[in-house]
Amino acid sequence: ETGVTQTPRHLVMGMTNKKSLKCEQHLGHNAMYWYKQSAKKPLELMFVYNFKEQTENNSVPSRFSPECPNSSHLFLHLHTLQPEDSALYLCASSPGTLNTGELFFGEGSRLTVL
Amino acid sequence: QKEVEQDPGPLSVPEGAIVSLNCTYSNSAFQYFMWYRQYSRKGPELLMYTYSSGNKEDGRFTAQVDKSSKYISLFIRDSQPSDSATYLCAMSSTGGGNKLTFGTGTQLKVEL
Repeated sequence: ETGVTQTPRHLVMGMTNKKSLKCEQHLGHNAMYWYKQSAKKPLELMFVYNFKEQTENNSVPSRFSPECPNSSHLFLHLHTLQPEDSALYLCASSPGTLNTGELFFGEGSRLTVL
Repeated sequence: QKEVEQDPGPLSVPEGAIVSLNCTYSNSAFQYFMWYRQYSRKGPELLMYTYSSGNKEDGRFTAQVDKSSKYISLFIRDSQPSDSATYLCAMSSTGGGNKLTFGTGTQLKVEL
C-alpha cells in the first residue's frame, strides 16, 4: 500500500447510526488532517493532528469525533449526523508544518446521510 | 466577502487551447500559493507551489502571483483531454502552520 488510503469509499447512514471513517498513511508523515468537501464550496478544514496531538479543531460539531492513535492512522467517528453532513470527507497528511504547501490526500469517503 | 474567490466554471475549451484559471484573495498575509488538481472521484494533488510574487513554470503549466493585486493565475498551454479536472487554488500565511485556505475550484473540460 502506498500514499493515503481511506475506507470506506462510500457510506450511507441514517441519522441515528454510528459509523467511522478510517484513514491510513504510508508516507511516514507526522501531520494528518480531515477535510470536508461539499459541492460548490471550498475545502473545509475540520481537524489537524501533529504527532498524534490535535492542534486544530475548526469549530466542528461534536457529532464528529476524531481519533488519532498514532501518526499513521486517523479516524473520524460519526454519530447522529444530519442530512447536511452529506459530503466527501478527505483525509490528508503532510511531513509536518506545511512549508511547501503539499498535502497528500486520500481518495475520500463519500458520505450520504438519510 | 470570501477570503478566496474562484470562478467555479465549468470551463470548456478545445484541445490545444491555452487555459487561464484565476483566484483573487483578500488576506494580505498570504505568502504561499498553490494549485491543486482533482480528477473525478479522486483526492486533490499538488500541481504547482509558489512563494510570494512572481512566475513559476513546470512543463505546460505556469503559475503567476501578483500580490499587489491579490491575484493568482494558472496557465495551461497546449491543453490536453487529460487536463480535464477541477483545479483548486490554495494559499497560506507565514506562521499559518498547517492551515490552507482553498478556493471553490474551477471545473475544466478539454474537448477533442
